[in-house]
Amino acid sequence: GAVVSQHPSRVICKSGTSVKIECRSLDFQATTMFWYRQFPKQSLMLMATSNEGSKATYEQGVEKDKFLINHASLTLSTLTVTSAHPEDSSFYICSARGGHNQPQHFGDGTRLSIL
Amino acid sequence: AQKITQTQPGMFVQEKEAVTLDCTYDTSDQSYGLFWYKQPSSGEMIFLIYQGSYDEQNATEGRYSLNFQKARKSANLVISASQLGDSAMYFCAMREGDAGGTSYGKLTFGQGTILTVHP
Repeated sequence: GAVVSQHPSRVICKSGTSVKIECRSLDFQATTMFWYRQFPKQSLMLMATSNEGSKATYEQGVEKDKFLINHASLTLSTLTVTSAHPEDSSFYICSARGGHNQPQHFGDGTRLSIL
Repeated sequence: AQKITQTQPGMFVQEKEAVTLDCTYDTSDQSYGLFWYKQPSSGEMIFLIYQGSYDEQNATEGRYSLNFQKARKSANLVISASQLGDSAMYFCAMREGDAGGTSYGKLTFGQGTILTVHP
């Protein structure tokens, strides 16, 4: 089946650090990738949708200057949390899909802890 | 208004029994897709089953089946012969604009149901 790799799986860093999370589709070309944020025992909240070669579309309330998304190729999207603060601590998970009616396949997620 | 509603925060089932996880949805689109994902405590999201709005038959994948009742806008997940490894959070999700629509394919998730399988 389709495999999406997300790296790193866990990050612990100091306040003010910028953190980059990578999302790769390993065995298919992902025309669209999605970034979600999830708080403990809650649902996934879509942060942004990224299409290869174009600017990401952010959901309402998500700061685009805070959460920088780059989708440079059909197999790689990155999320950079700039100048992270403790309130940015969360579980971030990406997904990718190959075609319009294909299911989204998720990465394993990144647990971000800002001290 | 909630587009996807899962009314059961938690469910318990005995091993080897069947369990139904409820999901109702709200959309004015004619074309849409319904998904179920499983999220174990480790956090990864595992795709289980998909139902398109134009599919006339209920989707099945192994022990998973989707009870699709279009008029009632419900898409319940049925897990047969529960196993201990089925204990996890289960999410119902909808993608509007399927089947030729112009949507980028955003998924809207329900609140999730925590399923616990007892031995």
